[in-house]
Amino acid sequence: QVQLVQSGAEVKKPGSSVKVSCMSSGGTFNSYTISWVRQAPGQGLEWMGKIIPVLSVANYAQRFQGRVTITADTSTSTVYMELTSLRSEDTAVYYCARGGGRVWLDPWGQGTLVTVSS
Amino acid sequence: EIVLTQSPGTLSLSPGERATLSCRASQRVSSNYLAWYQQKPGQAPRLLMTGASSRATGIPDRFSGSGSGTDFTLTISRLEPEDFAVYYCQQYGSSPPLTFGGGTKVEIK
Repeated sequence: QVQLVQSGAEVKKPGSSVKVSCMSSGGTFNSYTISWVRQAPGQGLEWMGKIIPVLSVANYAQRFQGRVTITADTSTSTVYMELTSLRSEDTAVYYCARGGGRVWLDPWGQGTLVTVSS
Repeated sequence: EIVLTQSPGTLSLSPGERATLSCRASQRVSSNYLAWYQQKPGQAPRLLMTGASSRATGIPDRFSGSGSGTDFTLTISRLEPEDFAVYYCQQYGSSPPLTFGGGTKVEIK
């Protein structure tokens, strides 16, 4: 059974970058897609992008193009999401989840709170 | 990009009552690839339904999904105390991007 475990909470200054990790256990890492979804405080869910680890091919939501990079390390079954030029509006819980493309999202990681504050 | 609109925004009901949640898409959802998720405070979303009407593993049968094309419904036949939460629909037929509805909060009346 696939489980996704994310890195811990981060506090960042405006203008800086954050890199969140998502480690997979169980299942066959190379055979599925991993997506990143974020949720601002009290708000809904927003898909950011996805990667197919075996191909290292990533797709991003248009509004994050140029600011987000999703990468994968197949040797450690870990996917990373880096967001640059952080602003206060990027304060959110960031989730990784298996799926994307034409597949639903399941399971989800536990979430990583990123706080952007001066 | 497919825009999903959920209604109502909030549903106030009592345990034992029936809940009907709506999700309307701005264009046809390919292959009815629509999922529903439940989210409780401080938790990650939990998958409930896939393909508009198939329950995910372990989901009780009081949850049912229906609809096709642009109009979809999640029904909870008899609300249990643990069902009070926020529910999101999501389309995965046209990706990227995956898109979510804005959510419906089911609260205790």
